[in-house]
Amino acid sequence: NAGVTQTPKFQVLKTGQSMTLQCAQDMNHEYMSWYRQDPGMGLRLIHYSVGAGITDQGEVPNGYNVSRSTTEDFPLRLLSAAPSQTSVYFCASSEKPNTEAFFGQGTRLTVV
Amino acid sequence: GEDVEQSLFLSVREGDSSVINCTYTDSSSTYLYWYKQEPGAGLQLLTYIFSNMDMKQDQRLTVLLNKKDKHLSLRIADTQTGDSAIYFCADLYSSASKIIFGSGTRLSIRP
Repeated sequence: NAGVTQTPKFQVLKTGQSMTLQCAQDMNHEYMSWYRQDPGMGLRLIHYSVGAGITDQGEVPNGYNVSRSTTEDFPLRLLSAAPSQTSVYFCASSEKPNTEAFFGQGTRLTVV
Repeated sequence: GEDVEQSLFLSVREGDSSVINCTYTDSSSTYLYWYKQEPGAGLQLLTYIFSNMDMKQDQRLTVLLNKKDKHLSLRIADTQTGDSAIYFCADLYSSASKIIFGSGTRLSIRP
């Protein structure tokens, strides 16, 4: 049982490049979310989804897009990377918003 | 607004109790959580409490909730070196189906 899988684990981008962070879960969870973790600021919610075809903005959505075409996958897209997006990104899933969230191992992104 | 606040650092002696505090602003909070993050890893759920409870105990962990003051605490009894980690408080904003995390408290254990 893989749980929540994030790829890649590490990535370096140049300013202005685009990329997609992948997140997949095999637990048939309806609820998925993306967070970024920065020193001293904890986890901040970027976007979340309560089910396939439904997404919504979190605390810091600017510069990021998401889609949820299937229950399993919830990719996070950076259209034009900026140094301020250097962070560790975590994807999480849960059966419902109020049940235990399972986290991926994180993607460490550096934008130079 | 939506806010969850914690102090950033806590240092305790091995064998003592650790108390990590958290305050939140959501008046309609229904679930509050404590997650643990070990170095280089994602977060794992430690425990949670419903908003209609004042206290929840689970082995060495005790969660206290003061709804009037919007204050949540996590007490770890007999703190061990394996408890070294970052502890996050989180609040479920039911009105928006989203979970907001605090900044995390880094717990360090001294011999």
